[in-house]
Amino acid sequence: DTGVSQDPRHKITKRGQNVTFRCDPISEHNRLYWYRQTLGQGPEFLTYFQNEAQLEKSRLLSDRFSAERPKGSFSTLEIQRTEQGDSAMYLCASSAPGAGTDTQYFGPGTRLTVL
Amino acid sequence: QKEVEQDPGPLSVPEGAIVSLNCTYSNSAFQYFMWYRQYSRKGPELLMYTYSSGNKEDGRFTAQVDKSSKYISLFIRDSQPSDSATYLCAMSDGDSSYKLIFGSGTRLLVRP
Repeated sequence: DTGVSQDPRHKITKRGQNVTFRCDPISEHNRLYWYRQTLGQGPEFLTYFQNEAQLEKSRLLSDRFSAERPKGSFSTLEIQRTEQGDSAMYLCASSAPGAGTDTQYFGPGTRLTVL
Repeated sequence: QKEVEQDPGPLSVPEGAIVSLNCTYSNSAFQYFMWYRQYSRKGPELLMYTYSSGNKEDGRFTAQVDKSSKYISLFIRDSQPSDSATYLCAMSDGDSSYKLIFGSGTRLLVRP
């Protein structure tokens, strides 16, 4: 399977715990995006990398959230001191280089439940 | 007011019907428009990608963009029960940002 992969697919945690998600983009895609989706809503942009550089962050990305893409390949999204409001589907997408907006391909998501 | 508005549905149609899904938007800078299909508890799957105004056809799917009205549509011909899913419109300006702004999605049910 050469699509975007995410791990884990499901995560249940207690409030106050830290969690980390991983995203492996499609090979040779240099742009990687994180989105969050809550029930009944469309995905909301969190942050975006071009290679290893984090180029844009949403105001939704509070200081409890941090994302990295250390070698321009896979990326991690960490949430510290989780809150119940963090319960959502966290989606990763990747895209190939190109002019203008490129087509973003999404992974299956990581569903987070904070108890 | 959200930047992208989409009727949440649900929209229920009989098998074989033509389905029309729509989104309106407020940001005139948007120039890239996409439609994604999302099955329950899965990631969004790209269906159609359109730049600027005009029509684009791919099999049973046709995407239309009217930038003057800030209105986009997705038509599905000969709808099948397997088309039952949530359809998300998404758009971006592609200049200042590559991030996608999504509608809230329309849930479609195609009855056999």
